[in-house]
Amino acid sequence: DQQVKQNSPSLSVQEGRISILNCDYTNSMFDYFLWYKKYPAEGPTFLISISSIKDKNEDGRFTVFLNKSAKHLSLHIVPSQPGDSAVYFCAASDGGTSYGKLTFGQGTILTVHP
Amino acid sequence: KAGVTQTPRYLIKTRGQQVTLSCSPISGHRSVSWYQQTPGQGLQFLFEYFSETQRNKGNFPGRFSGRQFSNSRSEMNVSTLELGDSALYLCASSLDAGARGNTIYFGEGSWLTVV
Repeated sequence: DQQVKQNSPSLSVQEGRISILNCDYTNSMFDYFLWYKKYPAEGPTFLISISSIKDKNEDGRFTVFLNKSAKHLSLHIVPSQPGDSAVYFCAASDGGTSYGKLTFGQGTILTVHP
Repeated sequence: KAGVTQTPRYLIKTRGQQVTLSCSPISGHRSVSWYQQTPGQGLQFLFEYFSETQRNKGNFPGRFSGRQFSNSRSEMNVSTLELGDSALYLCASSLDAGARGNTIYFGEGSWLTVV
């Protein structure tokens, strides 16, 4: 039972345009969500997070939107740059002493073309 | 400041052997967790330690174990290695993952190949 799903295995966008990566979850107990970027043979790099008490969080070119009723979140990257090409993982945790336990999606490969 | 450090980065073991992986968290971080990444299963949570106590555990067999020392450094051990244990093992740390909003930072990982 996959509780966090990234249904798009890959996404290709042109440099300068917007990249939108999507993530759905099924566990209504999840209340903290994070996005990570990963290159092959490296550890994930934290990008941005959002708490369930918010519906939007921004950090530079990155914005995460959370729709609790739809159990859906998305990461927007504007403008996209070739250096953004990597695998993006959505992760969730369900609070209490379980914030240290992240449940990850399967990842989306983002390719930004010059 | 230094990030999460994992050693060794690469290792090859034979089926049936055991392996110990080491992790030094970011200075001041008290929570350390471990994840396994494989092509088929993605990133899966193994366990989390806080103040030398295991606070959360994933769905892995008892061959997978870990511990945390008083300086927050952590080790994980896999005994009786199987071919399917070949994976990237990632360590992550945070100030206190028991508090919402604490970001979890990952190390570069230890690549284990079982032959």
